[in-house]
Amino acid sequence: KQEVTQIPAALSVPEGENLVLNCSFTDSAIYNLQWFRQDPGKGLTSLLLIQSSQREQTSGRLNASLDKSSGRSTLYIAASQPGDSATYLCAVTRGDSWGKFQFGAGTQVVVTP
Amino acid sequence: SQTIHQWPATLVQPVGSPLSLECTVEGTSNPNLYWYRQAAGRGLQLLFYSVGIGQISSEVPQNLSASRPQDRQFILSSKKLLLSDSGFYLCAWSKGANTEAFFGQGTRLTVV
Repeated sequence: KQEVTQIPAALSVPEGENLVLNCSFTDSAIYNLQWFRQDPGKGLTSLLLIQSSQREQTSGRLNASLDKSSGRSTLYIAASQPGDSATYLCAVTRGDSWGKFQFGAGTQVVVTP
Repeated sequence: SQTIHQWPATLVQPVGSPLSLECTVEGTSNPNLYWYRQAAGRGLQLLFYSVGIGQISSEVPQNLSASRPQDRQFILSSKKLLLSDSGFYLCAWSKGANTEAFFGQGTRLTVV
């Protein structure tokens, strides 16, 4: 059974520092990995999708890497801003064709001014 | 562009009452549709998924059911709510296994 773990569960950094969020998964037979952001009481906003054949994806200040063999992904957010405060979730699609996600519990990030 | 709508945003229902949550997707055809639940202090759990009209698969046995009466409409229902059905319900869509998934804004359900 696939298990997805995100460490740390919470993180507080001063504005301007780079954020490093970790995601690990136990079964390397994934289709893809997706990072999401969730603001309190809101739905999920997609940040980056990394397909299983890719090593990394970039969008603006965000960069996500994927190492399938070691079962790890890392989300980097450069030059953090207070607006980056949210919970960040990673999710992997299972080794079938239906696009069903297995989610981690998330990392709650607070960026202090 | 594609959009996904969920309603209502908030719902308070008594134990034993029925439930109907609706989700619609615009701007795409034949999407895969999903219902997830996020319980307090827990991660997101997949409840149902659908790859076409009338095709529903359940991930966990529970008091809930889902239906897909139209291509871009996904409904979550219950005949009699339990206290344990409280949570944050999220609808999502994607075009398949290797594509990006998009989520709605969620429905906060409180069963009292």
